[in-house]
Amino acid sequence: ETGVTQTPRHLVMGMTNKKSLKCEQHLGHNAMYWYKQSAKKPLELMFVYSLEERVENNSVPSRFSPECPNSSHLFLHLHTLQPEDSALYLCASSRGTGLAGVGETQYFGPGTRLLVL
Amino acid sequence: TQLLEQSPQFLSIQEGENLTVYCNSSSVFSSLQWYRQEPGEGPVLLVTVVTGGEVKKLKRLTFQFGDARKDSSLHITAAQPGDTGLYLCAGAIQGAQKLVFGQGTRLTINP
Repeated sequence: ETGVTQTPRHLVMGMTNKKSLKCEQHLGHNAMYWYKQSAKKPLELMFVYSLEERVENNSVPSRFSPECPNSSHLFLHLHTLQPEDSALYLCASSRGTGLAGVGETQYFGPGTRLLVL
Repeated sequence: TQLLEQSPQFLSIQEGENLTVYCNSSSVFSSLQWYRQEPGEGPVLLVTVVTGGEVKKLKRLTFQFGDARKDSSLHITAAQPGDTGLYLCAGAIQGAQKLVFGQGTRLTINP
């Protein structure tokens, strides 16, 4: 049973649409992450939040806008996406402050499968 | 440039066979993790290795961290259909606030 939930599980949107992905962690963790998983490419880190503050923005285009209203919730707002943005978007959380140090474990949600037409 | 190279990218074998998956880099990692991801799910942590030369066993899975902490291997003995999935290695870069993932090895065990 995962302690990280994501909604929706599947999303189809046009390039002019605005949508939001939601992530909730029930583990009492301090750090939350957004990753993009595309076919034939490694998992790409997009954003890291530690104690509700963004600590990393991994050169992500501005059409992706994250929001972390509290330590349990993380959103990814999507606006004027491109077809190449179609991918599985994974949310994760970790106990620490977002430092991927020794023994730091990230717990992943099931992901949102996004298709941009 | 791929920081972590996994090989092979795809592997399909019969139940009962043994296999090894490799994760290689020119970078040194403070720790390295292996995850397994099943269809429709997110990755789930299998193990974390920290010390160069460390070997950890998880039932039929044996994980080894290279002496120089630049590479790792995953060996599965007597593979079973339940081992099917995408295996990801991820390295923690010293001084950086993130994990770097390999592109994964998609393993299929045929009954």
